[in-house]
Amino acid sequence: AQRVTQPEKLLSVFKGAPVELKCNYSYSGSPELFWYVQYSRQRLQLLLRHISRESIKGFTADLNKGETSFHLKKPFAQEEDSAMYYCALSFNYGQNFVFGPGTRLSVLP
Amino acid sequence: GAVVSQHPSWVICKSGTSVKIECRSLDFQATTMFWYRQFPKQSLMLMATSNEGSKATYEQGVEKDKFLINHASLTLSTLTVTSAHPEDSSFYICSASPGLAETMRGTQYFGPGTRLLVL
Repeated sequence: AQRVTQPEKLLSVFKGAPVELKCNYSYSGSPELFWYVQYSRQRLQLLLRHISRESIKGFTADLNKGETSFHLKKPFAQEEDSAMYYCALSFNYGQNFVFGPGTRLSVLP
Repeated sequence: GAVVSQHPSWVICKSGTSVKIECRSLDFQATTMFWYRQFPKQSLMLMATSNEGSKATYEQGVEKDKFLINHASLTLSTLTVTSAHPEDSSFYICSASPGLAETMRGTQYFGPGTRLLVL
């Protein structure tokens, strides 16, 4: 069955430190993977998707099919990065989505 | 652009009554809309996917007679929780995808959610 895991419920780092939010997935086909972010009192929004290979707000994520991972990274965390981050897997031509449990990132001053 | 609204933002109802939640795409046409449920301190769980003009596809374990989904137009989908019970209390979130190509790319724009409390 399709599944997304995020091993850390909470991750705290100091401002300026590197941050890596881990995501692993299980899916037998070709995955479409995403990172969504939810800032305090705001709705969920797309941060980035693997197919675009883009960097948003300094974040990048590389799909590693061998390790079935899609970890989110940023070299220098900022306080405004504090939020809930969800890794998500899409399949069946976008008709199905599975979200990971989420990781709350707290960037300390 | 790409704004999705939900109404109401919160609702309290008595056990046994039905509650309707609306999801609207305000500035785009949504060929596909998704309904999620989120329990406290848990992740989003996809309940169903609805494509305009066709019946919704429900995820395993979601009762289609309990959670009625109607996607009658390209800008509106409704979720009706029928004969609500306290265990249906949750945070319901919808999302919309603008066009088939974007759906296939997994593009979704989320609504702010509706908090339902069944007494």
